[in-house]
Amino acid sequence: DTAVSQTPKYLVTQMGNDKSIKCEQNLGHDTMYWYKQDSKKFLKIMFSYNNKELIINETVPNRFSPKSPDKAHLNLHINSLELGDSAVYFCASSQDLTGDLSRKKLFFGSGTQLSVL
Amino acid sequence: QKEVEQNSGPLSVPEGAIASLNCTYSDRGSQSFFWYRQYSGKSPELIMSIYSNGDKEDGRFTAQLNKASQYVSLLIRDSQPSDSATYLCAAPGREYGNKLVFGAGTILRVKS
Repeated sequence: DTAVSQTPKYLVTQMGNDKSIKCEQNLGHDTMYWYKQDSKKFLKIMFSYNNKELIINETVPNRFSPKSPDKAHLNLHINSLELGDSAVYFCASSQDLTGDLSRKKLFFGSGTQLSVL
Repeated sequence: QKEVEQNSGPLSVPEGAIASLNCTYSDRGSQSFFWYRQYSGKSPELIMSIYSNGDKEDGRFTAQLNKASQYVSLLIRDSQPSDSATYLCAAPGREYGNKLVFGAGTILRVKS
């Protein structure tokens, strides 16, 4: 029974296409994230949502648009894919943003390896 | 200056030895620190968290935090080949919203 699940696991597509990655968590968490891990394994936050509200929006091209229909789901849509978008995209969740530090632990999905040709 | 810095390694240790992984951070206000382990082709997995100065032990793992010197370390005792992975240090960023900032990770290789 996977806690944070994302689909697809692999995504191979041509430059210029539009694609989506879906993420769902069954942990009852309030906060969800998208992280990007590049070829050098550097993990960097892209977006964060808390109870469907956008909290963090890093300097990411506006071709990337997150959508949170409810607090258990956070999807990522990417328009006009470019070669540089090739990376592994991780969805993650944490309990919430309250002061208790233990509630900020991240739980990651298995990742989506995106290859743009 | 990067917010969280780690030596990328690889760090090679013989089986049974102690592996010592280090991390420094720039934000003096950071209160919580996390160590994640990532096997090749897998997602990061939380192995330790530490919030107070000093040591915190969990099985073969010990996290050490020194806020005055702004470093956090992870010791792995009796290292096993199965410990070979990339270890990521993470600390909260400066902004609201639990923006966890990760270091570049240290590759650990335990040789049998």
